[in-house]
Amino acid sequence: DQQVKQNSPSLSVQEGRISILNCDYTNSMFDYFLWYKKYPAEGPTFLISISSIKDKNEDGRFTVFLNKSAKHLSLHIVPSQPGDSAVYFCAARAYNFNKFYFGSGTKLNVKP
Amino acid sequence: DAGVIQSPRHEVTEMGQEVTLRCKPISGHNSLFWYRQTMMRGLELLIYFNNNVPIDDSGMPEDRFSAKMPNASFSTLKIQPSEPRDSAVYFCASSLGTGEVEQFFGPGTRLTVL
Repeated sequence: DQQVKQNSPSLSVQEGRISILNCDYTNSMFDYFLWYKKYPAEGPTFLISISSIKDKNEDGRFTVFLNKSAKHLSLHIVPSQPGDSAVYFCAARAYNFNKFYFGSGTKLNVKP
Repeated sequence: DAGVIQSPRHEVTEMGQEVTLRCKPISGHNSLFWYRQTMMRGLELLIYFNNNVPIDDSGMPEDRFSAKMPNASFSTLKIQPSEPRDSAVYFCASSLGTGEVEQFFGPGTRLTVL
């Protein structure tokens, strides 16, 4: 039973436009949400996080939005660049167990 | 810092053989995690350690899987006997400790069981 879901396996965006990656979760006890970026043949690397007490966190071109009532978060990349092409994983932490649950990933392709 | 080191990077073995995956976490990190990535289920947490002690192994799929962390700088994930459905990429990750959200992943071990 997956507690974190990424329903879009892939996304294609033109360079310079906005990329929006979505993630849904089921457990209301998650206290932190994270996005990781993964290039082929490499491990995932941390991108950005948001606490459950916030609804937005911004870091340069990357912004994560959290909608707790809908149990939904999204990652916005503006403007998108070809180097952003990678697989993006959404993750959530259950603090009391220090366990992390990952989604299945969304492959982003940014076309030049 | 060299980051999280995993070995081997690739492993091809035959069904029934024992497989041992190795991980060296980042020095000073107190938490270590083993994940498995498959197309169907994405990244699944198998087990994690805190200060070398296994805290949660509920993600370990079967008794064929076992993990150890004999000291702060080394961990192993063993599969015995291996089966074709174990084929996946296995990642090791470490973090500073409980409460830290950022994990640092190794490059992974791609396991193929024929």
